[in-house]
Amino acid sequence: AQSVSQHNHHVILSEAASLELGCNYSYGGTVNLFWYVQYPGQHLQLLLKYFSGDPLVKGIKGFEAEFIKSKFSFNLRKPSVQWSDTAEYFCAVSSYGNNRLAFGKGNQVVVIP
Amino acid sequence: NAGVMQNPRHLVRRRGQEARLRCSPMKGHSHVYWYRQLPEEGLKFMVYLQKENIIDESGMPKERFSAEFPKEGPSILRIQQVVRGDSAAYFCASSQGESPLAEAFFGQGTRLTVV
Repeated sequence: AQSVSQHNHHVILSEAASLELGCNYSYGGTVNLFWYVQYPGQHLQLLLKYFSGDPLVKGIKGFEAEFIKSKFSFNLRKPSVQWSDTAEYFCAVSSYGNNRLAFGKGNQVVVIP
Repeated sequence: NAGVMQNPRHLVRRRGQEARLRCSPMKGHSHVYWYRQLPEEGLKFMVYLQKENIIDESGMPKERFSAEFPKEGPSILRIQQVVRGDSAAYFCASSQGESPLAEAFFGQGTRLTVV
């Protein structure tokens, strides 16, 4: 079974600062990788996903993530955050060919205006 | 998206009572997934259903928990004789297919509190 690790559960930063959230997974086979965001009071939304091809994936709202197979990592980045990026961010993994997701514990990100 | 509807949003039950959580998938979606999020934990897969069929229940506790997705109506997650440890947020997701190419859309969740 896959497991997903996210570190630094609580992140506080100022507007315009850069954000990087780490995600490591343990699974030796082909995987699909996802980042979801949950804004306060809202449902989980897909930020970006990786299935194959270019390991640098660009998502919505200026977010991007890089898949590094040798490190089993899929880190999320945003060069300059805004107050509206305050949310909880979840990394998720599924095995090739199915849609059952294994989630990390999430990163609670607070952006101070 | 407001497509996946879960109700109730909040549910309080006394120990020993039954909890019934409902999930109406997005229009056109016939695949439903239930996840549970315990405090300070990530979402954990519980069960995957298609219309009238349980496809994968490997994440479901062996006792007291059941799920269904009838031909008509919402998917139901049922917890019998609830205990304090069942307190959690329960999320439902739906998709058009099993492939991860078919994006899974999530509901807002039901927060169950057992007192």
